Amino acid sequence: QKEVEQNSGPLSVPEGAIASLNCTYSDRGSQSFFWYRQYSGKSPELIMFIYSNGDKEDGRFTAQLNKASQYVSLLIRDSQPSDSATYLCAVTPGALWGGYQKVTFGIGTKLQVIP
Amino acid sequence: SQTIHQWPATLVQPVGSPLSLECTVEGTSNPNLYWYRQAAGRGLQLLFYSVGIGQISSEVPQNLSASRPQDRQFILSSKKLLLSDSGFYLCAWSPRATEAFFGQGTRLTVV
Repeated sequence: QKEVEQNSGPLSVPEGAIASLNCTYSDRGSQSFFWYRQYSGKSPELIMFIYSNGDKEDGRFTAQLNKASQYVSLLIRDSQPSDSATYLCAVTPGALWGGYQKVTFGIGTKLQVIP
Repeated sequence: SQTIHQWPATLVQPVGSPLSLECTVEGTSNPNLYWYRQAAGRGLQLLFYSVGIGQISSEVPQNLSASRPQDRQFILSSKKLLLSDSGFYLCAWSPRATEAFFGQGTRLTVV
């Protein structure tokens, strides 16, 4: 059983629309959740992290966490062609991303924003 | 500010040849360092992590090894590459809280 699951996509949305990316995890004790963006051939870059249930907003990005249902999502408002990339969800069991924590990544969802 | 350097960017190696990938971090001391591999259609797989000089933890048994000869230097090695070693190798560092930061990655093709 996969520990962190994401639909590989591609998810296609028109420019200006809201893109919704979802991630589910199996470890109910997970506490820290990260979203990374990875352009083709490039390394991942952190977009957001969230620890608490509810929503966290940063510009056009909103992370949503529901620990009871064990899912975390990323909403991208006013999607732009430059948002086209693969979005990786990462989950850790603790509040700190340290050498003693096991970080588990999903396979990523490929997002295509159509002009 | 902190920066992470990883090289080379691309590498084509024959089966059975040795491998050495290097990663260095600037602007911080005593970072946690990680080597990940990303294969096509698969998530990032943690290979090794290090919390200090000479301290290496292996997450996946394989023909790869890692070393940390200096505080901000992390090296990934292999004595004999296999076809299955092909992939995108990423070095990362983290402060002792929150997120990790990735190097530019090395695209390794074993032929």
